[in-house]
Amino acid sequence: ETGVTQSPTHLIKTRGQQVTLRCSSQSGHNTVSWYQQALGQGPQFIFQYYREEENGRGNFPPRFSGLQFPNYSSELNVNALELDDSALYLCASSLGLAALQQETQYFGPGTRLLVL
Amino acid sequence: QKEVEQNSGPLSVPEGAIASLNCTYSDRGSQSFFWYRQYSGKSPELIMSIYSNGDQEDGRFTAQLNKASQYVSLLIRDSQPSDSATYLCAVPRRGFQKLVFGTGTRLLVSP
Repeated sequence: ETGVTQSPTHLIKTRGQQVTLRCSSQSGHNTVSWYQQALGQGPQFIFQYYREEENGRGNFPPRFSGLQFPNYSSELNVNALELDDSALYLCASSLGLAALQQETQYFGPGTRLLVL
Repeated sequence: QKEVEQNSGPLSVPEGAIASLNCTYSDRGSQSFFWYRQYSGKSPELIMSIYSNGDQEDGRFTAQLNKASQYVSLLIRDSQPSDSATYLCAVPRRGFQKLVFGTGTRLLVSP
């Protein structure tokens, strides 16, 4: 167990709908990263938050947005869902010691989203 | 050239054999490297990290790093059927905690 939780575990939506996925990081972890993992692929970085501010973004459109809260929880919001958004969505938390790139990221169990 | 490359496999080995998983990366300045194991339908689980050239051992797992060749590998000794999973190589983007993953190598260990 990594101490990182995600909800819901599974979700089915239809094209055009909006979805909110939630993550609860380990206590004391100031950084949360979100990844999308399509079937048969490695996780792809969506964005990262550090102390409630966005700290970097991958190659995802603006309809993917996020929030991080002071209580170590965070959200990933996706608007105008497309069929290709069907994937496993992973959040990962880490201590967030600024430029220390050797930090371990601890993954939650993921939310599997299916868009019909 | 992809930032992190792995052979997707599957790599099939008999129980008790050594499984060798390989990964190459493009950023010569990368400093740290991670191996994650992912069972089907589950999230990635960290099994090894390595930061210096050479070997790092943890139980049946050995990570090997060659920065000159931009190559990192994972050896699993005495492979067990429970080792059957996808193994993901991950390299942090420099100056930033974004992990760049390879596509993963699927390992099948047959009894």
